[in-house]
Amino acid sequence: EAGVAQSPRYKIIEKRQSVAFWCNPISGHATLYWYQQILGQGPKLLIQFQNNGVVDDSQLPKDRFSAERLKGVDSTLKIQPAKLEDSAVYLCASSSINYGYTFGSGTRLTVV
Amino acid sequence: GENVEQHPSTLSVQEGDSAVIKCTYSDSASNYFPWYKQELGKRPQLIIDIRSNVGEKKDQRIAVTLNKTAKHFSLHITETQPEDSAVYFCAASHSNTGFQKLVFGTGTRLLVSP
Repeated sequence: EAGVAQSPRYKIIEKRQSVAFWCNPISGHATLYWYQQILGQGPKLLIQFQNNGVVDDSQLPKDRFSAERLKGVDSTLKIQPAKLEDSAVYLCASSSINYGYTFGSGTRLTVV
Repeated sequence: GENVEQHPSTLSVQEGDSAVIKCTYSDSASNYFPWYKQELGKRPQLIIDIRSNVGEKKDQRIAVTLNKTAKHFSLHITETQPEDSAVYFCAASHSNTGFQKLVFGTGTRLLVSP
C-alpha cells in the first residue's frame, strides 16, 4: 500500500509569518494524527481526527495552530503566526483498526 | 493523562553486545506498547509491539517484555550491529477500537560501534 504523503519536506519562515502543511493518509485509514517532534524529543500529539471529526486536540495551541480534514481524507495543519519555538518536525500519521499505524516522512519547519 | 518515561537517553555498545532500553508508563488503562526506530532525518518505523494480554514477544534479534503490575516494558536487542544505531522510542496507548493516540517516551540514542 502507498504510504502517508506529506508536503513540503522542508520549510524555513520568519517568525510571525504563517505556514501550512499538507498530509494525505493511507487510503481507507479513518484516523489521522498530527504530531510535533522537537529536536531531541519524542513526538507529541497535536490533533487527532476520526474521519473529518476531531477526536483530541487538547495539546494543540489553538491561538496559533489550526487543522482541518475536509471530506475525511487529506488534512492541513496551519500555524499563524509562527514563533521560534515552533521549529520542529511535523509528522502526520494514519491508522485503521486492521492496518495499524503509519507515519509520513514529516515536514521540517525552521522559524528564524 | 498518560506519561511515559524512557531510560537511558543514550546507550553505547560494542557490535555483538546486547542492548536494553526501559520504559515506564503511568496509566494502568494503557494496553498497547509499540517501539519505534528513527534514523536521522527519517520517519519513525515500527519495529515491534506488544499488547497487554501477553508478557513477551520476540522477532529475531528483537524482543519486548511487559510487566503490567509494575507498569514497565523493555526492548531487548541481541547481537547488535552497526545498522542498529538510531534513536529508539517507546510509546503507550489505550484503545480497543483503533483510535490509537500514542504517548511517546523521550527516546534513546543507541550507538553500536564496530
